[in-house]
Amino acid sequence: DTAVSQTPKYLVTQMGNDKSIKCEQNLGHDTMYWYKQDSKKFLKIMFSYNNKELIINETVPNRFSPKSPDKAHLNLHINSLELGDSAVYFCASSLLAGRDNEQFFGPGTRLTVL
Amino acid sequence: AQSVAQPEDQVNVAEGNPLTVKCTYSVSGNPYLFWYVQYPNRGLQFLLKYITGDNLVKGSYGFEAEFNKSQTSFHLKKPSALVSDSALYFCAVREGRGGNKLVFGAGTILRVKS
Repeated sequence: DTAVSQTPKYLVTQMGNDKSIKCEQNLGHDTMYWYKQDSKKFLKIMFSYNNKELIINETVPNRFSPKSPDKAHLNLHINSLELGDSAVYFCASSLLAGRDNEQFFGPGTRLTVL
Repeated sequence: AQSVAQPEDQVNVAEGNPLTVKCTYSVSGNPYLFWYVQYPNRGLQFLLKYITGDNLVKGSYGFEAEFNKSQTSFHLKKPSALVSDSALYFCAVREGRGGNKLVFGAGTILRVKS
C-alpha cells in the first residue's frame, strides 16, 4: 500500500555503467518528480513530468534521462555513471503542478558509484 | 528566482521545551511555503503548508508555522518537543504565479534530548 515506491533501494555500481531507477505512485497524481540529495543532505530538483510531459528540466547532464511510460510511473536512466553521481535519488508525486499541492516522496534510492 | 534560507544547521532542545526551526524566503510573487521532515534513511514527509489566509498554520504531529510577510519568514514551531521529533527539517518555497518548481532550504537537524 506504499504511496510512492522506488526500486531498487540501494544501487552499487562501477563508473561507466548504465543504470535505471524505477518509480511508481498509486495516488492518482498527475505530476511526478526526481530529486537528488547529496552527501550534505542538500535536495535539488532534477526533472518533473506532468501527465507524461516534461515540464521541469534543471541543469542536469544529458547522461540522465527520465522516462514516463504513463502518469503513474517515472523512471530515471543514467548513462556512463560518474563518481559524482553518488547520492540519494528521491522520486515524488503531487496533484497538478503549479498549484498549492504538497509533494509525496518515495523512500529514496541510494546510488553508490565506485 | 525563489530561494530559501535555513540559518541554523542544527537546533538542540530539551524534551518538553518549545522548539523553533527558522526559515526565511525570497520570491518575486506570492509565496507558497512548505515544511517537510526527513527521518534517517527515509523519504521526506509533508508537515504543513502556507498558501493564503491565516498566518498561523497547523500541521502534523503538533507542529505549526507562522507566516510573516514583512520579515519574509516561515518559522516552524512546536510548544513541547518530543525525542521522536529528532530529524532533519526542510523548508521549501514555490512561487505563486504558476511556478512549478519547489526550492528547498539546506535543512536543519533538530535534536531533542531527554
